[in-house]
Amino acid sequence: QKEVEQNSGPLSVPEGAIASLNCTYSDRGSQSFFWYRQYSGKSPELIMSIYSNGDKEDGRFTAQLNKASQYVSLLIRDSQPSDSATYLCALQRYYGNNRLAFGKGNQVVVIP
Amino acid sequence: DTEVTQTPKHLVMGMTNKKSLKCEQHMGHRAMYWYKQKAKKPPELMFVYSYEKLSINESVPSRFSPECPNSSLLNLHLHALQPEDSALYLCASSPFSGASYEQYFGPGTRLTVT
Repeated sequence: QKEVEQNSGPLSVPEGAIASLNCTYSDRGSQSFFWYRQYSGKSPELIMSIYSNGDKEDGRFTAQLNKASQYVSLLIRDSQPSDSATYLCALQRYYGNNRLAFGKGNQVVVIP
Repeated sequence: DTEVTQTPKHLVMGMTNKKSLKCEQHMGHRAMYWYKQKAKKPPELMFVYSYEKLSINESVPSRFSPECPNSSLLNLHLHALQPEDSALYLCASSPFSGASYEQYFGPGTRLTVT
């Protein structure tokens, strides 16, 4: 099993709808989780970080973490065309280890 | 302010050239990183500097040579590269305190090796 897995297929959502992205991970000891947004040809931009079970909201973004089930998700509410990008899930294995493990990324296309 | 700057934005070099990539941050972060990213792939870690000392080298070929002159600057010296080294080179930084290390990326240098 890969350390971080994301659905590889593009996700098409109508403008105004909710985009839902999922990420699973294999190491139960993983501590910190991040979502990066990357526009085509640009660098990754940190949009959410989450460290404890539950939901964390920031504007139209909600990150959800369930350590027992080993998944982290990202919801984008009221999707806008500007949300069209690749979203990378990343995790930090344990405190003090500054390596990030990345998923392959999930492309989101918001259709006007 | 979470800004990491990188120069140049684009670089084209021949296989016999020597060039350097530069990265700078003024956020007081004590960990800095070099990543390589190919199209449609996630970033791939190359080097990590913690408190200006090289702490991680992910078995990167010696034609890539990192340097950390001070806590704000990070260089990547390039020599005798191969065409397959063409990629987006990303610098990142993170605070080296507390329990977590949110990494902030610079805009990257698009490198083409001819």
